[in-house]
Amino acid sequence: QVQLVESGGGVVQPGRSLRLSCAASGFTFSNFAIHWVRQAPGKGLEWVASVCLDGTKKHYGDSLKGRVTISRDNSKNTVYLQINSLRAEDTAIYYCARQFNNNSSRSPGIDYWGQGTLVTVSS
Amino acid sequence: SYELTQPLAVSVSPGQTARITCSGDALTKKSVYWYQQKSGQAPVVLIFDDSKRPSGIPERFSGSNSGTMATLTISGAQVEDGGDYYCFSSNSSGNHVLFGGGTKLTVL
Repeated sequence: QVQLVESGGGVVQPGRSLRLSCAASGFTFSNFAIHWVRQAPGKGLEWVASVCLDGTKKHYGDSLKGRVTISRDNSKNTVYLQINSLRAEDTAIYYCARQFNNNSSRSPGIDYWGQGTLVTVSS
Repeated sequence: SYELTQPLAVSVSPGQTARITCSGDALTKKSVYWYQQKSGQAPVVLIFDDSKRPSGIPERFSGSNSGTMATLTISGAQVEDGGDYYCFSSNSSGNHVLFGGGTKLTVL
């Protein structure tokens, strides 16, 4: 079955960097775009970034733009999210999610989610 | 910047029909997805491509998209349908995707 397992979260001091990983299994990884979505405590879902099948096209949400980099390694079935200059407001659960493989759709959507990894930015 | 607008809260009695709306100018051209999230859990997709239901999702969940508004309808809502619901779509140029602010559904 489809599995997405995030790792790399934890408590980080403001201003530091963090790299999150998402290990995928149960499907042909290189056939799917992957997204990162975050959710601050008690708040709604916020889209963070996405990467296309071969990693050449990347898109970023406005809130982290300039401080975040998404990448993927198809040989390892893994997606990464590098976040720099962490701030208290970056405290959230970070989810890795798979995009629907439906080219006929008018816009992309997400079909499977990981369970998330908690990032806490605090001194 | 582009936004998808949802009501903060919807409340219905068990067995009634719950409707959650999502409005955005680009919805005339873009598909909508709906997600349910229960406390402490990852979201689950309920509806994709405006009105399609993944396997395993009960038939009481349906979706529509007309003009600048999409609607998630839960026919005969059950107590266990309570939770947070989010719509998801993209801006008109397709280079940004986003969630609506979320709607808390109470079935009581």
